[in-house]
Amino acid sequence: AAGVIQSPRHLIKEKRETATLKCYPIPRHDTVYWYQQGPGQDPQFLISFYEKMQSDKGSIPDRFSAQQFSDYHSELNMSSLELGDSALYFCASSLVNGYTFGSGTRLTVV
Amino acid sequence: AQSVAQPEDQVNVAEGNPLTVKCTYSVSGNPYLFWYVQYPNRGLQFLLKYITGDNLVKGSYGFEAEFNKSQTSFHLKKPSALVSDSALYFCAVRDRDSGRRALTFGSGTRLQVQP
Repeated sequence: AAGVIQSPRHLIKEKRETATLKCYPIPRHDTVYWYQQGPGQDPQFLISFYEKMQSDKGSIPDRFSAQQFSDYHSELNMSSLELGDSALYFCASSLVNGYTFGSGTRLTVV
Repeated sequence: AQSVAQPEDQVNVAEGNPLTVKCTYSVSGNPYLFWYVQYPNRGLQFLLKYITGDNLVKGSYGFEAEFNKSQTSFHLKKPSALVSDSALYFCAVRDRDSGRRALTFGSGTRLQVQP
């Protein structure tokens, strides 16, 4: 069965740089979510999209933005990166109450 | 608001013994409850969920969980632990009666199964 695909798997950026993370949800899933998991932390909800429209917003910094495109893939854009942005970023997609998570993108800011 | 509490940072159990990982939740309405497992440097893998119906939910790899509305709990259990069950376990909740569809996670419990 198709899963949630995230790219890249690993990313190293310097402070103040920008990063773009991509997520390809399971086909026919109508909602995409982004989560941030810091070292030793639980996943924190950032933002979600339902049918390509932003549906909910969590603890997403103003330096971050996201969108969902016509083909349903989503991108998380992160600017002015800080050391504290180093984390595992998960994308998940859902249909009704079935949530599937991708393997995540590990972002390291140096 | 919705929240999850996992009161134990770590649970240690000997292989072959039963295990329990505790979870309590708080929602304004009715909950949807989930358990996920995370292995080092890996994504979140779905174990089981409670949506409605039987309070005892059976999931992957022999795990089960019991929804207890009066105690607002959803503890994860397995009759006989395996060393390969050693991982980080997250409980998550969604309030069925709110507009928010995103899951809220607990802080995680590290399960260590000793041979």
